[in-house]
Amino acid sequence: DTGVSQDPRHKITKRGQNVTFRCDPISEHNRLYWYRQTLGQGPEFLTYFQNEAQLEKSRLLSDRFSAERPKGSFSTLEIQRTEQGDSAMYLCASSSASGGTDTQYFGPGTRLTVL
Amino acid sequence: ILNVEQSPQSLHVQEGDSTNFTCSFPSSNFYALHWYRWETAKSPEALFVMTLNGDEKKKGRISATLNTKEGYSYLYIKGSQPEDSATYLCASNSGNTGKLIFGQGTTLQVKP
Repeated sequence: DTGVSQDPRHKITKRGQNVTFRCDPISEHNRLYWYRQTLGQGPEFLTYFQNEAQLEKSRLLSDRFSAERPKGSFSTLEIQRTEQGDSAMYLCASSSASGGTDTQYFGPGTRLTVL
Repeated sequence: ILNVEQSPQSLHVQEGDSTNFTCSFPSSNFYALHWYRWETAKSPEALFVMTLNGDEKKKGRISATLNTKEGYSYLYIKGSQPEDSATYLCASNSGNTGKLIFGQGTTLQVKP
């Protein structure tokens, strides 16, 4: 069990550029979640997948954000035309089953800085 | 809207002190309450998942209680050590989706 991994760990970009982050969940986990955390706040839900199906997306998420999990394994989160307000820690988590009581295991996050 | 609140926002204690934090959440449609510990530059680490009113869980010097009727959970640390320094997050979900709503966290600093 290698845990949840995320790549890159840090990303600095200029406003208006597109960025893509990758998350590799624990291998047998079929649920994958994306959260975003800004300074002084707790993580905020963005979206989640059950296998390759995206089941829910936060209403707070603008159309510039898109996430995929094409084969039900790794996932990517893309932000188009980045804005300074997108600067945050982007966290990925996975869990083994479909219940709300299952532990979500988090990766170390990708810290995005938009200049 | 599910609002999860944590207090205090930050806490400084001496090594050996015992301490506790509070997490409050809406009691309607409650499904589960999760506690995490998040050390700087590491992944958030799961501590407990609690579902039953009156439940009490323990992991070493850390324990947690749950009151689903009034909508709060306490996290206790007995005999704090410098390695306990971290941000402690609680999160609730109101259904079987697994979508977690987090509080803003309590940052604990333990001085040697």
